[in-house]
Amino acid sequence: KNQVEQSPQSLIILEGKNCTLQCNYTVSPFSNLRWYKQDTGRGPVSLTIMTFSENTKSNGRYTATLDADTKQSSLHITASQLSDSASYICVVSANSGNTPLVFGKGTRLSVIA
Amino acid sequence: GAGVSQSPRYKVTKRGQDVTLRCDPISSHATLYWYQQALGQGPEFLTYFNYEAQPDKSGLPSDRFSAERPEGSISTLTIQRTEQRDSAMYRCASSLDGGLDTQYFGPGTRLTVL
Repeated sequence: KNQVEQSPQSLIILEGKNCTLQCNYTVSPFSNLRWYKQDTGRGPVSLTIMTFSENTKSNGRYTATLDADTKQSSLHITASQLSDSASYICVVSANSGNTPLVFGKGTRLSVIA
Repeated sequence: GAGVSQSPRYKVTKRGQDVTLRCDPISSHATLYWYQQALGQGPEFLTYFNYEAQPDKSGLPSDRFSAERPEGSISTLTIQRTEQRDSAMYRCASSLDGGLDTQYFGPGTRLTVL
């Protein structure tokens, strides 16, 4: 069964600190992996998209890594800000990149002053 | 349009009633997706359209759920004979041409079935 698991389920960090969120998947065949940020009450917003051949992709203070051999991805947030408080969702796509899209349950990040 | 819009934003209905949700994608986008998101969970794929074609509806949980996009722009998601377990946020997203293109999500419709 295609699954995406994320850890930790929730995380609280101090403003300015770094953090790393994890994503493990069993989706096959693998096409691409995306990280989304979802603020409370809002729709998900895309942060990065990585294909099989990409190991690292950055978007500002967000850096995603992908190890297609171990089927793991991480999202590293550098110098966290209060506005980073949100749910971060890992999404893995099989086949041509359209569907099925398998969503993880997300990691709830709270950045506190 | 400037972004993906959905209506209504909130819908409360009684069990057994039919509901229709609407999604208005970004005007230049060929691909449109429907997701169901339970509270505290990630979105779950329901179906998608490429223009008016519906290549994949494998995520629709039962035959009570159907979606249309007759002219390749606005889409509707209809749930017949609603049940309490249908209560969720229903999100629509669109992308320029599917594949690796970024999906832009709408604000969602919060459906509550009493």
